[in-house]
Amino acid sequence: KQEVTQIPAALSVPEGENLVLNCSFTDSAIYNLQWFRQDPGKGLTSLLLIQSSQREQTSGRLNASLDKSSGRSTLYIAASQPGDSATYLCAVNSGYSTLTFGKGTMLLVSP
Amino acid sequence: DVKVTQSSRYLVKRTGEKVFLECVQDMDHENMFWYRQDPGLGLRLIYFSYDVKMKEKGDIPEGYSVSREKKERFSLILESASTNQTSMYLCASTIWGTENTEAFFGQGTRLTVV
Repeated sequence: KQEVTQIPAALSVPEGENLVLNCSFTDSAIYNLQWFRQDPGKGLTSLLLIQSSQREQTSGRLNASLDKSSGRSTLYIAASQPGDSATYLCAVNSGYSTLTFGKGTMLLVSP
Repeated sequence: DVKVTQSSRYLVKRTGEKVFLECVQDMDHENMFWYRQDPGLGLRLIYFSYDVKMKEKGDIPEGYSVSREKKERFSLILESASTNQTSMYLCASTIWGTENTEAFFGQGTRLTVV
């Protein structure tokens, strides 16, 4: 059964820092991996989707990489801002579009 | 933009009540999903559906049922609500596919059973 782990569970940084969030998964037979953002009490907002044949995806200050063979993905956030404060979730699609989620990294960016 | 809309943001129900959570998507997606999210446990799949009138059990289907009478609408039913079903419920939809299937989520329904 697929298991997804996110490290660290929480992260606090000053504004302007570059940071990396980590996601690992146990079964490398995935179709894609998706990164989400969740604000307190809200739903999930899709940030980036990396297909299994891709190595990375970029959107603005966000860059996500995928190393399927080692079961790892990273989300890089450049020049962090207080508005980036949220919980970040990674999820892997191992088939039938059902997602297995990590428990998330809670990010706090202080001014 | 894809829009997934859940009928309620907050619900308070009594133990034993029958509860309906509604989800509607506007992008003609084939697949729809119900997850629940709990502190320390993360998101867990309850049920999903590939097509109208089709349903598949997820990881934690006990105590729940679903209905999909129209392609755009997927309902989660708690036949007899219990306090351990107090949770955040999230609906999602995707197109049919493999590598390119991006999941879109609704805003969530916070259900409290008292």
